[in-house]
Amino acid sequence: SQKIEQNSEALNIQEGKTATLTCNYTNYSPAYLQWYRQDPGRGPVFLLLIRENEKEKRKERLKVTFDTTLKQSLFHITASQPADSATYLCALDTTSGTYKYIFGTGTRLKVLA
Amino acid sequence: KAGVTQTPRYLIKTRGQQVTLSCSPISGHRSVSWYQQTPGQGLQFLFEYFSETQRNKGNFPGRFSGRQFSNSRSEMNVSTLELGDSALYLCASSWGTGEDTQYFGPGTRLTVL
Repeated sequence: SQKIEQNSEALNIQEGKTATLTCNYTNYSPAYLQWYRQDPGRGPVFLLLIRENEKEKRKERLKVTFDTTLKQSLFHITASQPADSATYLCALDTTSGTYKYIFGTGTRLKVLA
Repeated sequence: KAGVTQTPRYLIKTRGQQVTLSCSPISGHRSVSWYQQTPGQGLQFLFEYFSETQRNKGNFPGRFSGRQFSNSRSEMNVSTLELGDSALYLCASSWGTGEDTQYFGPGTRLTVL
């Protein structure tokens, strides 16, 4: 069956360290994968998109990798700050062009000062 | 530019009732997607409308329905409410073409008693 899994429900790290979040999927062939941030009581906010033919994408302190062989995406936040504390969701289109998005259950990141 | 708005923000209903939620997308966006978010299941795709037509549908019972108007505003209806329908209902708008960023509204918190 088709599944998306994010490595852990919660992750605590010290301020200044790099946070690494994992998104694994099975039985999909997404054309691209997206990462979102969600704060309590709010809707998700788009962060980054990476296409299947891209290995890595960066935006400021954020970096995403996409390995279609391993069926895995890694999301890194470097020099993490307490303000980065939130839930991070990965999302992919189930089949290219269907506009039907599937979200992972999210990883709750807490950056400790 | 104004963001995605959802009304009402909070709603309390009793079992067996029906409810209608409203979503106004970002101006110019033609696609509206609806999601149900619960602590146990995460963010689950309900359906997507594009230019007044349902283009995609998730795995929810027929009690969940929606529609989109010519101005791209969308409504979602849930009939014969069950306790398990208590959730945060999010809508997201996008251009509806290709690898879109989805812009989420703040959600409607529905509680079924």
